[in-house]
Amino acid sequence: EAGVTQFPSHSVIEKGQTVTLRCDPISGHDNLYWYRRVMGKEIKFLLHFVKESKQDESGMPNNRFLAERTGGTYSTLKVQPAELEDSGVYFCASSQERGPNREQYFGPGTRLTVT
Amino acid sequence: AQSVAQPEDQVNVAEGNPLTVKCTYSVSGNPYLFWYVQYPNRGLQFLLKYITGDNLVKGSYGFEAEFNKSQTSFHLKKPSALVSDSALYFCAVRRFINTGTASKLTFGTGTRLQVTL
Repeated sequence: EAGVTQFPSHSVIEKGQTVTLRCDPISGHDNLYWYRRVMGKEIKFLLHFVKESKQDESGMPNNRFLAERTGGTYSTLKVQPAELEDSGVYFCASSQERGPNREQYFGPGTRLTVT
Repeated sequence: AQSVAQPEDQVNVAEGNPLTVKCTYSVSGNPYLFWYVQYPNRGLQFLLKYITGDNLVKGSYGFEAEFNKSQTSFHLKKPSALVSDSALYFCAVRRFINTGTASKLTFGTGTRLQVTL
């Protein structure tokens, strides 16, 4: 079974540019999560999809971030325009559970550097 | 609100010695607790979880963790460390909402484990 995949693995962009990150969850997993880790700090929740619907987007930092999951399969996270403080590692995770007791499976992350 | 504290940025252990990575949490209601490990250039890998039942849970690679409700702790342990255990370890908590609802994880800042010969 293929794991969670993320693309690209690294992205370096200039302030003001746009970047789109992609996540492909494990096949059949309805729950998809985005998290972010800024250098040396905790991994912070951004948002949670159940199929194509946003279940919880309380962690999205501002309206420069837009997440979509059309068709309930892969998801994209767009940052437009990017700011310096957006630099960090963006993780995607998926899970199949209906309840909260199942672990989430994480992708390798996308390292975003905004210069 | 829920939170996790990992008080040590780094833990250094000699190979063969026991190791402990500390974690305390704060959450309303019953906690679901997790440990994840991140090896260099890899994603987060699930190690173990506490949901209910026995306070000592066993996980992958010989790791175990002890849930202590009175101290709100969930420390990660291993009886005999290996150099290959060197990695970044994250503790996480999840709040129980209801049996049909998945929810976000709240992570600590991570603890780097360095095991040397």
